[in-house]
Amino acid sequence: QVQLQESGPGLVKPSQTLSLTCTVSGGSISSASYYWSWIRQPAGKGLEWIGRIYSSGSTNYNPSLKSRVTISVDTSKNQFSLKLSSVTAADTAVYYCAREGYSRGWYLDYWGQGTLVTVSS
Amino acid sequence: EIVMTQSPATLSVSPGERATLSCRASQSVSSNLAWYQQKPGQAPRLLIYGASTRATGIPARFSGSGSGTEFTLTISSLQSEDFAVYYCQQYNNWPPMSTFGQGTQLEIK
Repeated sequence: QVQLQESGPGLVKPSQTLSLTCTVSGGSISSASYYWSWIRQPAGKGLEWIGRIYSSGSTNYNPSLKSRVTISVDTSKNQFSLKLSSVTAADTAVYYCAREGYSRGWYLDYWGQGTLVTVSS
Repeated sequence: EIVMTQSPATLSVSPGERATLSCRASQSVSSNLAWYQQKPGQAPRLLIYGASTRATGIPARFSGSGSGTEFTLTISSLQSEDFAVYYCQQYNNWPPMSTFGQGTQLEIK
């Protein structure tokens, strides 16, 4: 059973960089055909896809966040990470990591429990 | 960017009855459509992918249909544990990104 776990600071100051790591267990992050994704959800609101990475390092980002987002992978640690720069209060949200697979379309089949990141001074 | 629109925003249904949730794409996404269920304080759970294929462990009362721009999630006989928020999601090849609908809150009538 694949499990994902987010980790990182729960409080980030405005203008600073948000950094989160997702640790994958029960499966290899280098498995073929899977991407590894970040999604966020402000309190009481819907889901926003941030971006994804393949084990080779190939990435896709949400155009609305692309200038501020970097997703990286460390296959030796079975982890992938998110960095979001120049954060504001609007970036306060629960951040999820997830595995993205494909069959007649892409889907997110395994999710972490989510971690709340608050942007405040 | 493809915009996904879900309707209704809130749906009130009695246990044992059928619920029908809709998702519309601003342009064709073929069958590249997934449905998720989210309960308070929990991560979303994959229900349906490829518009109509149930994910592993999902009860048969959940079914998905549609292609192109119009999609439907049907729950045939609502159980107490089905009351939650439901999201549709598509992945577009260009620009390569995923988008979610705004969600439908399924509540007990």
